[in-house]
Amino acid sequence: DGGITQSPKYLFRKEGQNVTLSCEQNLNHDAMYWYRQDPGQGLRLIYYSQIVNDFQKGDIAEGYSVSREKKESFPLTVTSAQKNPTAFYLCASSIRGLAGGPPDTQYFGPGTRLTVL
Amino acid sequence: AQSVAQPEDQVNVAEGNPLTVKCTYSVSGNPYLFWYVQYPNRGLQFLLKYITGDNLVKGSYGFEAEFNKSQTSFHLKKPSALVSDSALYFCAVRDASYNTDKLIFGTGTRLQVFP
Repeated sequence: DGGITQSPKYLFRKEGQNVTLSCEQNLNHDAMYWYRQDPGQGLRLIYYSQIVNDFQKGDIAEGYSVSREKKESFPLTVTSAQKNPTAFYLCASSIRGLAGGPPDTQYFGPGTRLTVL
Repeated sequence: AQSVAQPEDQVNVAEGNPLTVKCTYSVSGNPYLFWYVQYPNRGLQFLLKYITGDNLVKGSYGFEAEFNKSQTSFHLKKPSALVSDSALYFCAVRDASYNTDKLIFGTGTRLQVFP
């Protein structure tokens, strides 16, 4: 988990609220990723960013938004449009942002557990 | 399309015995393969990866994995299990022919090592 921090560790959201999950890395990595983890479903990619000011939708982007204004930061907003947001959210980063060639190892933060009340 | 399967939801093994956690994959080109481990309420930790070269890959904490192209498998192994190895293990794959950094993760296998 070293080098990637996520906050808060636990987050509670009321129906209709937007919440923002923080992800910061001090590894000087170009690429950053957001995953959602549900029991029995493994990890599913929400959004990823290969370089500052650019990001791409993953497999389950609906109801989520991101920004990448700084290299070290990739916050995820869970909007009220996400109907089932209760899950464990994991942020990851890797050295290179450019596609092509063997993938670099992704390193993960400790996660944020979001619960909808 | 690319996919990865972990056929066992849980693997139970006695401490000191060898362990195997299975992973099979499907890609159209050559695969890049990864193993990660997750302890409760924690992020994933990288164990090892196969990119090219030797079919037997050695990783962290005494783990190793064998790439078998004919069986499209990448099973994780350890000669002697420890109670502290009990965790959730994920296999991941990327098709080398895809121009993307996206990894596809399996659903995970829970390893339980009994004293």
